[in-house]
Amino acid sequence: AQKITQTQPGMFVQEKEAVTLDCTYDTSDPSYGLFWYKQPSSGEMIFLIYQGSYDQQNATEGRYSLNFQKARKSANLVISASQLGDSAMYFCAMRGPQGGSEKLVFGKGTKLTVNP
Amino acid sequence: AAGVIQSPRHLIKEKRETATLKCYPIPRHDTVYWYQQGPGQDPQFLISFYEKMQSDKGSIPDRFSAQQFSDYHSELNMSSLELGDSALYFCASSLAGAPNYGYTFGSGTRLTVV
Repeated sequence: AQKITQTQPGMFVQEKEAVTLDCTYDTSDPSYGLFWYKQPSSGEMIFLIYQGSYDQQNATEGRYSLNFQKARKSANLVISASQLGDSAMYFCAMRGPQGGSEKLVFGKGTKLTVNP
Repeated sequence: AAGVIQSPRHLIKEKRETATLKCYPIPRHDTVYWYQQGPGQDPQFLISFYEKMQSDKGSIPDRFSAQQFSDYHSELNMSSLELGDSALYFCASSLAGAPNYGYTFGSGTRLTVV
């Protein structure tokens, strides 16, 4: 069974600084996908970044990068130059291989607060 | 670009009533998923449909049912509503083979049972 663990219930960061949100995963499938989503207080689920298990390079999307360490089964999200608008819940999620169960399994989330 | 459309955005129902949530996936996406997110919780998978057939089932109560229609929109029907059904219900759609699988969430329906 797939499992996502986010060990930081809450994180604080000063505006303009970088922050790392931790995510570890467990799966026996060799093929999988890892996602990070942002959920502001308004509730919508906003896609941030994706990493495939066979991707050779760490994914990057603007100020977001994913530190993918396959051997350690970790997929940490790095947000550079934090902005006040980054304050939100952040969820790490995993999807299984195509042809198998394609649902997303989510971690418990990390609440990020950016201080001015 | 077209997104996943969910309706209604907000819904208030009384206990034991029924509710129907609707989801319109991104055109050409072949899979629809439903998730339930309770207050302060992570989203939990309920059910999914691939090409209008149920493809996977999660922790969906027997009081809930869902289907996907010929135009690919999906409906989640909830009967005998309980206070504990109050949650944010997300629909997502994806396309096999697309980058990131094209996994996209709708804005959600916030259901309040009173």
